Amino acid sequence: AQKVTQAQTEISVVEKEDVTLDCVYETRDTTYYLFWYKQPPSGELVFLIRRNSFDEQNEISGRYSWNFQKSTSSFNFTITASQVVDSAVYFCALSEVVAGANNLFFGTGTRLTVIP
Amino acid sequence: DAGVIQSPRHEVTEMGQEVTLRCKPISGHDYLFWYRQTMMRGLELLIYFNNNVPIDDSGMPEDRFSAKMPNASFSTLKIQPSEPRDSAVYFCASRSAVGNSPLHFGNGTRLTVT
Repeated sequence: AQKVTQAQTEISVVEKEDVTLDCVYETRDTTYYLFWYKQPPSGELVFLIRRNSFDEQNEISGRYSWNFQKSTSSFNFTITASQVVDSAVYFCALSEVVAGANNLFFGTGTRLTVIP
Repeated sequence: DAGVIQSPRHEVTEMGQEVTLRCKPISGHDYLFWYRQTMMRGLELLIYFNNNVPIDDSGMPEDRFSAKMPNASFSTLKIQPSEPRDSAVYFCASRSAVGNSPLHFGNGTRLTVT
């Protein structure tokens, strides 16, 4: 079963529009961590945020914000006033804190294209 | 502060040849991971080490793949013999042992096996 689902394969927006990238996860653990990574066209994977399962506070960092809702098992990512430099593939990931487990399960990614 | 360093950035080789990918983790990080990224399968964990010891290699596709970490600052992923289906981007990542700190990835090695 897919542990992390990113249903949106590709999204295109016009510069300055807001965009939300969806992430739905599945786990039986009560303690887990959620992450977002960005993969720009250059190919590297850039860490954006980590959230643990006990902290449902939403977070804002500049134009980026994250909405964590345990009730719906979702960890959505919103970019406000998108810019061309935001064009990338964005990955949501889940880490389950089971004794000895140390894997990061990645979603299939959402390719965001910001059109100037 | 140097990040995770991988070499080479690109590798093109012929089927049957041995390929060695290299990784230098961030200094002080206790965990090192090897991931493979393909269009078909996305990002897959191949193996990870804790304090230079392999902990979980269940993601290694087959015996043609092997990984070593002879010391805290160096790891290799070897494919022998290579096959066209091994073509992918291979990422190395490291993290500290503190809490569930995030993985820091290298720039990846794009491997093409012809």
